[in-house]
Amino acid sequence: DTAVSQTPKYLVTQMGNDKSIKCEQNLGHDTMYWYKQDSKKFLKIMFSYNNKELIINETVPNRFSPKSPDKAHLNLHINSLELGDSAVYFCASSHRGTPEQYFGPGTRLTVT
Amino acid sequence: RKEVEQDPGPFNVPEGATVAFNCTYSNSASQSFFWYRQDCRKEPKLLMSVYSSGNEDGRFTAQLNRASQYISLLIRDSKLSDSATYLCVVRAGTSYDKVIFGPGTSLSVIP
Repeated sequence: DTAVSQTPKYLVTQMGNDKSIKCEQNLGHDTMYWYKQDSKKFLKIMFSYNNKELIINETVPNRFSPKSPDKAHLNLHINSLELGDSAVYFCASSHRGTPEQYFGPGTRLTVT
Repeated sequence: RKEVEQDPGPFNVPEGATVAFNCTYSNSASQSFFWYRQDCRKEPKLLMSVYSSGNEDGRFTAQLNRASQYISLLIRDSKLSDSATYLCVVRAGTSYDKVIFGPGTSLSVIP
């Protein structure tokens, strides 16, 4: 049973395109996150949602737009992709108030 | 100064060795501390929480020094399977939801 799943696992696309990454968790958690891990392996939080409400929005270009249709899903839509967007994007979830986070397997995005 | 700093390594140690990783954090109001492990091309996974009194889980010992804003992880009797990147993680200030990941320390255990 997959706790936190992401699709797709790999995404190769050209500059200027729009793409989405989907995330689902079956752990019953109420908080979900998107992280970006760049080529230097630094893991940085982008967004956090609690019960479909945005609670953390780090300094991220507004080309990135998260959407949470329900508390088990948090999708990430990226407009006008740029070369610098190439990275691994991790989704994670937790219970609010418990800092332990469970990560999805990551989506490796390559922008050419 | 970065919020969480770690020696990036890599640390290359023989099997059976003892290795220690250090981590410093800048926010003195930080409340919770953790070590995560990330295998190559995999997602991070929680290894252990770090408690004020220090704690041990098998071959792993974590310690916290609040006065120095310093966290450590000691691995005894290293195994080949310990090879990974170890991420120091700090819960920022009073926020229950935002955690800060350090850049990670890479460990390779060599036969």
